[in-house]
Amino acid sequence: DVKVTQSSRYLVKRTGEKVFLECVQDMDHENMFWYRQDPGLGLRLIYFSYDVKMKEKGDIPEGYSVSREKKERFSLILESASTNQTSMYLCASSNRGGVDEQFFGPGTRLTVL
Amino acid sequence: AQKVTQAQTEISVVEKEDVTLDCVYETRDTTYYLFWYKQPPSGELVFLIRRNSFDEQNEISGRYSWNFQKSTSSFNFTITASQVVDSAVYFCALSEAYNTDKLIFGTGTRLQVFP
Repeated sequence: DVKVTQSSRYLVKRTGEKVFLECVQDMDHENMFWYRQDPGLGLRLIYFSYDVKMKEKGDIPEGYSVSREKKERFSLILESASTNQTSMYLCASSNRGGVDEQFFGPGTRLTVL
Repeated sequence: AQKVTQAQTEISVVEKEDVTLDCVYETRDTTYYLFWYKQPPSGELVFLIRRNSFDEQNEISGRYSWNFQKSTSSFNFTITASQVVDSAVYFCALSEAYNTDKLIFGTGTRLQVFP
């Protein structure tokens, strides 16, 4: 059963903390994505990676960075968490260059106090 | 500019009713792809369908059907005889030929099916 897994379902952090969200896929996909989901705003792309060590900014990259050291793993980093980063974070992966669907993880609900 | 609009924020129906979720898109590309995803309460988005811009044939899969009309830039999704398990948030999405790796999502429609 193919899977995208995320390290935590729920996470509570304090303002100013450095936060790591981890995502792992077992489908050998080239592409990996981090989205943020907020009520009324749908899914917004934070960062996208199409290969190891390659990344591309999405629509809302401010306050975030990413790391892709291995093909199967894509990390989202909040350098200094703020309350406006409280949200649901979704990771996804897909094949590159085709029009295949993206496969999603279960999401991490992050609360920043 | 590319955009996906799901004007219905929330829909409530009673079991066995038919329900249609609307999706309107904007793109300058002549080649593009449209998707529907379901997000149940568990949180994980589940792929339902992909349709390319050259295939306007409607599709039916069990109780689900999709109506693609290029003339109105719409890709609507109908659930026939809805069930409680259909309760979820449904997202419509678009990808364009010049950048098929990226999806542009609508804001989603929350469907609640009551017994």
